[in-house]
Amino acid sequence: AQSVTQLDSQVPVFEEAPVELRCNYSSSVSVYLFWYVQYPNQGLQLLLKYLSGSTLVKGINGFEAEFNKSQTSFHLRKPSVHISDTAEYFCAVSDSGAGSYQLTFGKGTKLSVIP
Amino acid sequence: DTGVSQNPRHKITKRGQNVTFRCDPISEHNRLYWYRQTLGQGPEFLTYFQNEAQLEKSRLLSDRFSAERPKGSFSTLEIQRTEQGDSAMYLCASSAVPGQGLVSDYGYTFGSGTRLTVV
Repeated sequence: AQSVTQLDSQVPVFEEAPVELRCNYSSSVSVYLFWYVQYPNQGLQLLLKYLSGSTLVKGINGFEAEFNKSQTSFHLRKPSVHISDTAEYFCAVSDSGAGSYQLTFGKGTKLSVIP
Repeated sequence: DTGVSQNPRHKITKRGQNVTFRCDPISEHNRLYWYRQTLGQGPEFLTYFQNEAQLEKSRLLSDRFSAERPKGSFSTLEIQRTEQGDSAMYLCASSAVPGQGLVSDYGYTFGSGTRLTVV
């Protein structure tokens, strides 16, 4: 079984400041890793994904994440946030080997950007 | 390609009524997933299809829930005898089968969801 822990339920940050949203996962097999963003009453939009290769992954809207296998982490970062980044962010993991490839999500981190 | 479409966007129903939601996936995707998201939580897996075959069901999917994907195209999720605990956002996602095509192309596309309120 897999699990995802998002260490912060809420993160307030001032506009143009950097932000890091933390994600740790637990799995006994190789994984794919994802970050999604959700705006109020909307579905999930993919920010970035790690499937293989370089452990530093760049995504949309200036976000990036680094896969650290030894620490089983996949933290999301942005060097300078905008008001429009205010949303809820979900880290997710799926088995990369076979089967359903269903996603297991964390509980989410609400990012609030303060003007 | 207009992405994954879900209808209706919102549904309010009385306890005990039946409801049905529809999901139209990306046409090239042969996998379709249903997730449920309650307030303050991340989405939780309910079931998935590969083409028309339903291959896995979560234990969250009680016998009041049934999902179909006739002809491997759109899917429906029906909830019978709704309960207040069924109130949630129901999300549909589609993907290609991992291992087919470029690994870099693999990923899920989610719809905007159907928000169910049972009163």
